Amino acid sequence: NAGVTQTPKFQVLKTGQSMTLQCAQDMNHEYMSWYRQDPGMGLRLIHYSVGAGITDQGEVPNGYNVSRSTTEDFPLRLLSAAPSQTSVYFCASSYSGLAGYNYNEQFFGPGTRLTVL
Amino acid sequence: AQSVTQLDSHVSVSEGTPVLLRCNYSSSYSPSLFWYVQHPNKGLQLLLKYTSAATLVKGINGFEAEFKKSETSFHLTKPSAHMSDAAEYFCVVSDSGGSYIPTFGRGTSLIVHP
Repeated sequence: NAGVTQTPKFQVLKTGQSMTLQCAQDMNHEYMSWYRQDPGMGLRLIHYSVGAGITDQGEVPNGYNVSRSTTEDFPLRLLSAAPSQTSVYFCASSYSGLAGYNYNEQFFGPGTRLTVL
Repeated sequence: AQSVTQLDSHVSVSEGTPVLLRCNYSSSYSPSLFWYVQHPNKGLQLLLKYTSAATLVKGINGFEAEFKKSETSFHLTKPSAHMSDAAEYFCVVSDSGGSYIPTFGRGTSLIVHP
């Protein structure tokens, strides 16, 4: 199993450009999420999904869109990049617990380091 | 609402000495608690988890943590630090009140001196 994969590893954008960060998992996990990591801030949840066709906002969703058309893929779209979106982005997946809720550990991808000029 | 506080942003130890990374949590429900480790330029890896079974939890690489409900703590320990333990450590809490969406602490950087 490849686990959770993310592409690209590095990206530099200019302000106003758009792009999609890709995330895929091959563990048939129902729960997937996107985080951003900034120095001294830990990981902050951007968006998450509890299954194909179901997404919801996390703590810092502004400026980002997601969709979940398949169990395996969970892309993150930046519509109009801003310097404040310079960060390291992590995708994670997990199998769900009872009643569709997630109380289990998450498996993380290697991250995408994004710089917005 | 759930929350988690890592009491130290940096911890510095010598190789071979004990490690203590402190984590306090707040939860109105029965929480699940996790410790993750992140080595430089890597993703996060699970060290150990507590999900209402034994209160003393053993993880990988000799780490363990004890769930203390009366103190709302979940401190991470290791008897003897190794140079390879130098990394960032995150304490995480999730419970049904937050729809099991995990909340991350801000992280503790462990520095190990030879």
